[in-house]
Amino acid sequence: EIVMTQSPATLSVSPGERATLSCRASQSVSSNFAWYQQKPGQAPRLLIYGASTRATGIPARFSGSGSGTEFTLTISSLESEDFAVYYCQHYNNWPRTFGQGTKVEIK
Amino acid sequence: EVQLLESGGGLVQPGGSLRLSCAASGFTFSGSAMTWVRQAPGKGLEWVSSISGSGGSTFYGDSVKGRLTISRDNSKNTLYLQMNSLRAEDTAVYYCAKDFTFFGVWGKGTTVTVSS
Repeated sequence: EIVMTQSPATLSVSPGERATLSCRASQSVSSNFAWYQQKPGQAPRLLIYGASTRATGIPARFSGSGSGTEFTLTISSLESEDFAVYYCQHYNNWPRTFGQGTKVEIK
Repeated sequence: EVQLLESGGGLVQPGGSLRLSCAASGFTFSGSAMTWVRQAPGKGLEWVSSISGSGGSTFYGDSVKGRLTISRDNSKNTLYLQMNSLRAEDTAVYYCAKDFTFFGVWGKGTTVTVSS
């Protein structure tokens, strides 16, 4: 099983600032990698797939990069609706696994 | 509009059974793989199981293998998760999601509580 490790666990950021979230895979997942956003009481929302392709309707301030074992989600200028928990996930093989999540909170 | 609607959750005793359903609309259900993902209270996301569009291929996480069974009825556009020998650690919100690579469409979830 591929273990996905996210860092940091919590990120405190002021609105308008840049946020950088990391995810590391225990072995290469190529670009078979996705990011999700989840707000309290809601289902997750797909942000990025293929490591760097924004899903339909996702604002350009969200960008993904990386391949292999190291991945980054960057939110260029945080807006109030971006404070949430973010999860990474690989789909390179079975089982699919998620990271433990990074909570982006208001500083 | 693509929609997924889960149902069937509830309170069940340890060792009991439950069947979850996920009604799909707005896309060609038989052409799409489907997945169940769960989230225990206050915890992260856990992939549970996936099934191919035809139903001929199924995949399970180790924690549920042998106890949970994924299936589908393409004539009814419905995905199922039969849950047997339930344990306290199966308590979670269960989401169905479209596809089995990345998950672009999710239902709102149904809550399963395993407790005596």
